[in-house]
Parts: sequence; structure tokens; C-alpha cells
Amino acid sequence: SQQGEEDPQALSIQEGENATMNCSYKTSINNLQWYRQNSGRGLVHLILIRSNEREKHSGRLRVTLDTSKKSSSLLITASRAADTASYFCATLVTGGGNKLTFGTGTQLKVEL
Amino acid sequence: GAVVSQHPSWVICKSGTSVKIECRSLDFQATTMFWYRQFPKQSLMLMATSNEGSKATYEQGVEKDKFLINHASLTLSTLTVTSAHPEDSSFYICSAATGLTSTDTQYFGPGTRLTVL
Repeated sequence: SQQGEEDPQALSIQEGENATMNCSYKTSINNLQWYRQNSGRGLVHLILIRSNEREKHSGRLRVTLDTSKKSSSLLITASRAADTASYFCATLVTGGGNKLTFGTGTQLKVEL
Repeated sequence: GAVVSQHPSWVICKSGTSVKIECRSLDFQATTMFWYRQFPKQSLMLMATSNEGSKATYEQGVEKDKFLINHASLTLSTLTVTSAHPEDSSFYICSAATGLTSTDTQYFGPGTRLTVL
């Protein structure tokens, strides 16, 4: 079964605005990762946050992790049209080796 | 950075035929490779975990006799969809990792689009 549920399923914003996507999961994790996928293409790894971390930044990306609520958020600041893509969270479950379980994804559309 | 390639990038075949998809790690040795399937506008679903030199571990609900996985070397894993049918049409993505532990990063291939007529 899906480990992560993401919301919103789809998000449409104007260029320059911020985009926030949320991910919830069910079991204990080692880390949580965010990926981007352009239509019909492979996955691009964006950022990894470990279970003992609460916040992480990478360029215009900010990821938070709340293990007590089993949730994470991805914030993209000052969005650009090129950010249009699907975004997935993926969790590395404790005791699951290096097997990733992907969330349902958020389709982001950034309009000019 | 670590690069994973897939071949072919897309394939169209007739119902009943078999299709082989290759996944290669180009600049590192991959002890473990993973195969995922993704239907349109849906998430990635793990099909199987492939370890070099041993049998693949399939996820629940994935037919191992239909989706044959071979991981004969540290840089190559293949997925063969046997007797493909239209419902097997999907986007197949592989990833490769250097080990079996939770600290080993997965590197994803660009995917293979399979269309079965």
C-alpha cells in the first residue's frame, strides 16, 4: 500500500508565487526524500531529510519534517514556469533496507 | 554524479510478444536495482528488488513469471515482460543503489514507455 499521501493532488499558481506541497506517511522512517518528475520523464532527486532533522534548505527549496505528525512539506519559493512538474515524496521505512515507498504525488503547474 | 540508463526509452509491441528492458549503472557498481511501474498520472509502484547474482524479490501482487528480472552483473539488470498484453502498457523505471542499507542512495533511470497494442 502507498506509504505516502500527498496533497494537494494538483496545484496551479502564478510565476513568482510560492508552492507548498504536503506529504503524510504511516510508519517509522529513516529518511524522507522529495523527487521531481517532468511529464513522461525519469525522476530527479531534489532533497533528502533524515528522521532526526526538522528542516532542510536547498536553493529555493525548503523541506520540513514532523515525525510526531508523520508529515513533511516541500516549499518552492519564487516559482518559475520551469518548476512545472509532478512532485513525489518517498520514504525509506525503518527496517526496510533501502526500499523506497512513493507518495501519490502533486502535479504543480506554474503559469506565466 | 551517478548515472543510470535505460534502453529502450520507448517500445511498441504486439500483444503476446515479450519485451526486454535494460537498466545500466554507467559509472558505479550497483549491488541492488529496483524496478518500478508507473501508470499515467499515478505514483511509482515498486515491482521488485534485484540483487546481483541472486533471485529478485517481488512485491505482493507482481507476477514473477510474467515480469522476469535478471541481475547478472553489477552494472546491468534486465526486466522482461513476457507475453505482454495491453494492460501491461506503462512507464517502467529502474533505480540502482550501491548497497542494501538505508544509507545507500538510489539513482533513477529515465524510464521506458511500453505500449502494447
